[in-house]
Amino acid sequence: AQSVAQPEDQVNVAEGNPLTVKCTYSVSGNPYLFWYVQYPNRGLQFLLKYITGDNLVKGSYGFEAEFNKSQTSFHLKKPSALVSDSALYFCAARPPNFNKFYFGSGTKLNVKP
Amino acid sequence: GAVVSQHPSWVICKSGTSVKIECRSLDFQATTMFWYRQFPKQSLMLMATSNEGSKATYEQGVEKDKFLINHASLTLSTLTVTSAHPEDSSFYICSALEGSAGNQPQHFGDGTRLSIL
Repeated sequence: AQSVAQPEDQVNVAEGNPLTVKCTYSVSGNPYLFWYVQYPNRGLQFLLKYITGDNLVKGSYGFEAEFNKSQTSFHLKKPSALVSDSALYFCAARPPNFNKFYFGSGTKLNVKP
Repeated sequence: GAVVSQHPSWVICKSGTSVKIECRSLDFQATTMFWYRQFPKQSLMLMATSNEGSKATYEQGVEKDKFLINHASLTLSTLTVTSAHPEDSSFYICSALEGSAGNQPQHFGDGTRLSIL
C-alpha cells in the first residue's frame, strides 16, 4: 500500500533554533513530493515541492526540504524558527501519471519564544 | 495566483438538512478537484476526486448517495451532504489542480466547518 509517514505528531523548538519536520514515503515510482502548512481553521497552503534535480529545494517563508532517495525521505527544514511558524505541517506524495496525492498524518510545530 | 474559494466557511444546521458546499478556482481552470474531510486529530481523509464533466471517483467507505459531488465546470465543484446527521459534523476542505501536469501542487480552499445539531 502506498503511504506517507510523519513519525512525529508534534515538534517543539525554541525561536531562533533550527527546525526539522520529518517525512518518509512509500510510494511507487519516483513520486513528486510536497509540503503544505495549515493554520487553524484554514485550508492548506503550498510551501514547496520536489520534482527532480537538486536534493535541496527552497520554498516559501524560508523553508527548505531535503530529498533523500535512498532513505525515501523528504524532511522539512528551516535554519531559524519563528513563533509565527507554529502550525500544522503536512507532507504529501504523488505518483507520476496518477491523479492522487498521499498525505501524511500531519505534524504540529510549536515554536516557543 | 492559484486561488481557490470555498463557501460557506461555517455552517450550523439541524439534523436532516442537506448542505451544499461550493469550491471555485478563481484564476485558473481546474480539471480535477478533490474533497477532503479533516478529523479533530489532524489527519486529512480523501473523500472523492472530481473531474470536470464526469462522475466523481469516491474513496472506499465514502457513501456516494450521502456525499453528492458535482463538477459542472472547470471552475466549480460542489459537495452536498444529504440528510446530514451529527456524525457528519467535521471540517471539509476542497482543493484544485491547475492543468494536467503531474508535478503541480494542489491549491486548497479555506475549508468549511460543518456542525449538525
